[in-house]
Amino acid sequence: AAGVIQSPRHLIKEKRETATLKCYPIPRHDTVYWYQQGPGQDPQFLISFYEKMQSDKGSIPDRFSAQQFSDYHSELNMSSLELGDSALYFCASSPLGTGGNEQYFGPGTRLTVT
Amino acid sequence: GEDVEQSLFLSVREGDSSVINCTYTDSSSTYLYWYKQEPGAGLQLLTYIFSNMDMKQDQRLTVLLNKKDKHLSLRIADTQTGDSAIYFCAERNSWGKLQFGAGTQVVVTP
Repeated sequence: AAGVIQSPRHLIKEKRETATLKCYPIPRHDTVYWYQQGPGQDPQFLISFYEKMQSDKGSIPDRFSAQQFSDYHSELNMSSLELGDSALYFCASSPLGTGGNEQYFGPGTRLTVT
Repeated sequence: GEDVEQSLFLSVREGDSSVINCTYTDSSSTYLYWYKQEPGAGLQLLTYIFSNMDMKQDQRLTVLLNKKDKHLSLRIADTQTGDSAIYFCAERNSWGKLQFGAGTQVVVTP
């Protein structure tokens, strides 16, 4: 079965650089969620999109922005990176019409900021 | 996950049953979830329960929900070494955002 695809899987950046994380949801999933998981922490919700519109926003820094495109893939753009941004970034997607009842997570992108 | 609480560690012998407990605070949560995370891996959706249900069984997994006490549990029957992982409880808000607990590290010993 198709799963959520995230790229890249690993990313190393320096402080103050920018990073772009990509998420390709499962086919026929219209909702995308982004979560950040720090070392030894539980995942924290960042932002979500439904039908290409932002649907909810969590603890996402102003340095980060995201969007969902017409093919439903999503990108998380992170600027002025800080050491504290080092984390696993997960994307999750939900099937059409379920309103997020089932969220399937991708493998994550591990971002290391040095 | 300050709104969702879990015990941090559980050790269980292979073949025994594991019970992982979780409490949540948002009484309007419509769905509650259990996810499994193995080291360095993503989050695997194990099961979820709608808030108007008391119990859901899926093969070796049994979820019990006490809505009055806002208590959720996951029972794994015949625990295997492959069940060693971190298990996250999560509640869902009206927009679909998941609020996770801190996770319970389950260690299965032979």
